[in-house]
Amino acid sequence: EDQVTQSPEALRLQEGESSSLNCSYTVSGLRGLFWYRQDPGKGPEFLFTLYSAGEEKEKERLKATLTKKESFLHITAPKPEDSATYLCAVQGRGADGLTFGKGTHLIIQP
Amino acid sequence: EPEVTQTPSHQVTQMGQEVILRCVPISNHLYFYWYRQILGQKVEFLVSFYNNEISEKSEIFDDQFSVERPDGSNFTLKIRSTKLEDSAMYFCASSFDNYGYTFGSGTRLTVV
Repeated sequence: EDQVTQSPEALRLQEGESSSLNCSYTVSGLRGLFWYRQDPGKGPEFLFTLYSAGEEKEKERLKATLTKKESFLHITAPKPEDSATYLCAVQGRGADGLTFGKGTHLIIQP
Repeated sequence: EPEVTQTPSHQVTQMGQEVILRCVPISNHLYFYWYRQILGQKVEFLVSFYNNEISEKSEIFDDQFSVERPDGSNFTLKIRSTKLEDSAMYFCASSFDNYGYTFGSGTRLTVV
């Protein structure tokens, strides 16, 4: 059974204070690892897909990296508008469905 | 930017009633999905739909649930005889190639 564990559950940072969110996973053949952002009462918003260990992707202040057992979402010099819950999900080979973690609730204080 | 549209945004129903949640996926997408998120819990996969049939379903998707693509644009989730524990946010998603879904904003279902 595919599993995703995210840490920390919650993180409070000052504006400009960089940090990293962790996603540990077990999957029967990784087809893709996904990062989403979710605002309260909204659906997940797609950020990145990573396919193989060593891969990195960047978008504005966010950078996602992948190893064989975990992924990190690095946030550089965050702003208050980066406050959200960040979700990690995996898709196993041959599967349609994504297995999500519980997410990291990130708060950026001005 | 293309969006997945879900209606209604909030639905209140009495226990035992049937509900239909509606979604309009992105027009050129071929794969369609339903997920749910019980308050404070993980987003959970329910079902995927491709080429006018169910492609994959989870253990949650039992005989109480059904999906349909009644025309070229809509995708629906029907829940028969709702229970209190069906209260959740239900998200529709679509994808062109079964990677990198686009999710809708969800329907909050409250069963009373």
